[in-house]
Parts: sequence; C-alpha cells; structure tokens
Amino acid sequence: QSALTQPASVSGSPGQSITISCTETSSDVGNYNLVSWYQQHPGKAPKLIIYEGSKRPSGVSNRFSGSKSGNTASLTISGLQAEDEADYHCCSHAGNVRVFGGGTSLTVL
Amino acid sequence: QVHLQESGPGLVKPSQTLSLTCTVSGGSISIGGYYWSWIRQHPGKGLEWIGYIYYSGSTYYNPSLKSRVTISIDMSENQFSLKLSSVTAADTAVYYCARDSGYDQFDYWGQGTPVTVSS
Repeated sequence: QSALTQPASVSGSPGQSITISCTETSSDVGNYNLVSWYQQHPGKAPKLIIYEGSKRPSGVSNRFSGSKSGNTASLTISGLQAEDEADYHCCSHAGNVRVFGGGTSLTVL
Repeated sequence: QVHLQESGPGLVKPSQTLSLTCTVSGGSISIGGYYWSWIRQHPGKGLEWIGYIYYSGSTYYNPSLKSRVTISIDMSENQFSLKLSSVTAADTAVYYCARDSGYDQFDYWGQGTPVTVSS
C-alpha cells in the first residue's frame, strides 16, 4: 500500500485551474520533503514536471506549479488545455527510499 | 541529452527470472551523483519503484521486492541491469529504467518495455 495518497481522478474544463493532492499517509516515508511530479500520457513514459516540490525543469510550462502544506503536496495546473489530459504521479525521495503515489487521471472536459 | 533504452524478453514463464538491461547514451553511467533506477507500472496502475544502483555498485531495493531483486552495473557497456527472480503473473508490468538525481527527481526515463509473465 502506497504511503502517498492521490485522488484517482480529477477533471476540469479548458481554461480552468485544477489541483491534485498528494498526502503522506505513512510515517515509513520518513523525511517527506522532496516531492516531484510526473506527467504521463497514454503509452508514454512519465515526464518530470515539478521537482523539489515547486521547481520546474527547463521547457515545462509555467502553467504547472507545485506547493506543500503540512503533509500534503499539491500540483496545480492553470489555464487547462486539452493536451494536459494525462496521468499525474507524485513521488517522494526520503533518504534511500523512493515512493510513488497511486497516480491521478486528469480529464479535460 | 541523456537517453535510456530498455531491452529484454517481453515474455517470461512463471517461476523463472526476468532479466532486463538499460543502455545509457549521451552521458557516462560512471559519473557520480546519479542513481540508476528501475521502476515498473502494472496495467492501469501507478508507478512502483523497484530499486537503484550507484556507479560504485551500491544498491538499494524496495523492501517489498528486496528478496527477489538484483540490480547490477556494467560501466564498460554503459548499462545497468535488473533481475527479478521467481516471477508470477503479478510481475506483469511495463518496466522503466530512469536516472535518479539522488536527491529528489527522476529526470530521464527510458520508453519502457512491457513484460508479461505467462506460461
């Protein structure tokens, strides 16, 4: 059972903003500070979109932003576009351990 | 630009050992600071970290798979490999190799290779 809990699905209309949560549910994760987020389109490999909780790699749209409050990390996508429809995964690096959330499917209505 | 490519059999029989190799190009696997990881994704499910190896040969595995996993490195070929023993249908998944920054991110991924466990 994953130590990071994400909603199974979220949806939004083009132009809207959505937020995906990633909540630590197990103390086994340890130092839950270093969260990254990945976007995965069907049949494709995951792509890094947020690291260190809130930083974007070069080339990633500034419509993607990350934050953290308490034991919950969040990914916000603003100005939703059809191309944002994908699965989103959070991941925690805690010492030697890497843990992924269960993934969230985003539907753009 | 670093590129990773998985290779190996797409079909493995139950109780046998799954063996995959990840070939890295565009960068040396022997440079410190990066951890070379295996990650898998069961059909329709989320990602599961399997483990990593450092260029020194140090490894760390997911405790849930530790008894069956071996990750090795071949710096002469710029490759690292995964062996998963005693496989069952529950090991059917897409297997990815990825570069782990060692700090907080998987910044480069292979395209993934599907593996089916079936007789």
